[in-house]
Amino acid sequence: DTAVSQTPKYLVTQMGNDKSIKCEQNLGHDTMYWYKQDSKKFLKIMFSYNNKELIINETVPNRFSPKSPDKAHLNLHINSLELGDSAVYFCASSQGPGHYGYTFGSGTRLTVV
Amino acid sequence: AQSVTQPDIHITVSEGASLELRCNYSYGATPYLFWYVQSPGQGLQLLLKYFSGDTLVQGIKGFEAEFKRSQSSFNLRKPSVHWSDAAEYFCAVGAYNQGGKLIFGQGTELSVKP
Repeated sequence: DTAVSQTPKYLVTQMGNDKSIKCEQNLGHDTMYWYKQDSKKFLKIMFSYNNKELIINETVPNRFSPKSPDKAHLNLHINSLELGDSAVYFCASSQGPGHYGYTFGSGTRLTVV
Repeated sequence: AQSVTQPDIHITVSEGASLELRCNYSYGATPYLFWYVQSPGQGLQLLLKYFSGDTLVQGIKGFEAEFKRSQSSFNLRKPSVHWSDAAEYFCAVGAYNQGGKLIFGQGTELSVKP
């Protein structure tokens, strides 16, 4: 039973489209995150939610909108996709905002053509 | 600003040889430090973490890391590398009072020669 699951695993789409990535965790954790890994494998935080409340919102274009319907789910919606959005997006969870021992999902590879 | 530097982009070692991956951090207070491993096509897995106390920490898969405050370093070591250790390794620092945010280094790719 996967602890942090992301869907889809691969996503290929055209510029200008809107797409969503879903994330679910079954660990009972309170905090969830979205990280972006670029082509050079550099990881950078995008958003974090704690029990459905947004607590981290890094400098990310407002085309990216996270949504957390409950503390077990954190989705990422991206409008008007651009070539530069191509990356691997990782969802992660932790017990709380002060707990750094993340559990990561296996990632969603987004390719914008 | 907090930052993490991994000076080695790529390291190749022979199977059975010892390994040391370097990590330097920039942080004003006592840092929370982590090493993660990423196998191809997979998410990141926590190898070990340092919060306080003993500066030599043991992790999973036979890895250990040593916190050296005077050198601002948190190097990862393994006495004998196995072929299955080939992966990308990331050092990270926990950003204090920033909601659990981790700041990652650039990663070091480890290749293992038979």
